[in-house]
Amino acid sequence: EAGVAQSPRYKIIEKRQSVAFWCNPISGHATLYWYQQILGQGPKLLIQFQNNGVVDDSQLPKDRFSAERLKGVDSTLKIQPAKLEDSAVYLCASSFTSGGAYEQYFGPGTRLTVT
Amino acid sequence: DAKTTQPTSMDCAEGRAANLPCNHSTISGNEYVYWYRQIHSQGPQYIIHGLKNNETNEMASLIITEDRKSSTLILPHATLRDTAVYYCIVRPGQGGSEKLVFGKGTKLTVNP
Repeated sequence: EAGVAQSPRYKIIEKRQSVAFWCNPISGHATLYWYQQILGQGPKLLIQFQNNGVVDDSQLPKDRFSAERLKGVDSTLKIQPAKLEDSAVYLCASSFTSGGAYEQYFGPGTRLTVT
Repeated sequence: DAKTTQPTSMDCAEGRAANLPCNHSTISGNEYVYWYRQIHSQGPQYIIHGLKNNETNEMASLIITEDRKSSTLILPHATLRDTAVYYCIVRPGQGGSEKLVFGKGTKLTVNP
């Protein structure tokens, strides 16, 4: 079974530029999550989708971050404009469904460096 | 904020059992205890979860105290590849927020 795919794996941009990350979840997984992991800390949820609807985006900085999952499969997370404090690893995860003790499967992450 | 407390770091000799403790004194009746680990430069990996009974799978065993205020993850025969950050997370099973709230975890180093 293929895992969660993310691209790119690494990205370096200057502050005020924009960047986009892509995630392809495990086939059949209805729930998709984006997490931000700053160096030395645990991952923090940014947004959760159930199919193509947003379930939780309470910690997404909506003035600069946006995410979509138009067809209920792949998802894109965008930052515009980027700030220095956005330097982090962005992790995508998926789970079979919501509402239950289902484990989340994580991708390898995209390491973003903002200079 | 994370609802769990874990030691910052632990060491273990290769081939010995690694016992990782976790305190979750404010756990609610419908909340599960989950363990994930994160090997360097990889995404977190699910290990095991439990509600009140002890659980075992091919990776580890989870021992939950009777009052459910603490638990221990046991890796029975640690290898060098088990070196990672281990996260203990409390999360509702049904009807609650499904997000995983990660703390800083325990950095386990397995030494040869």
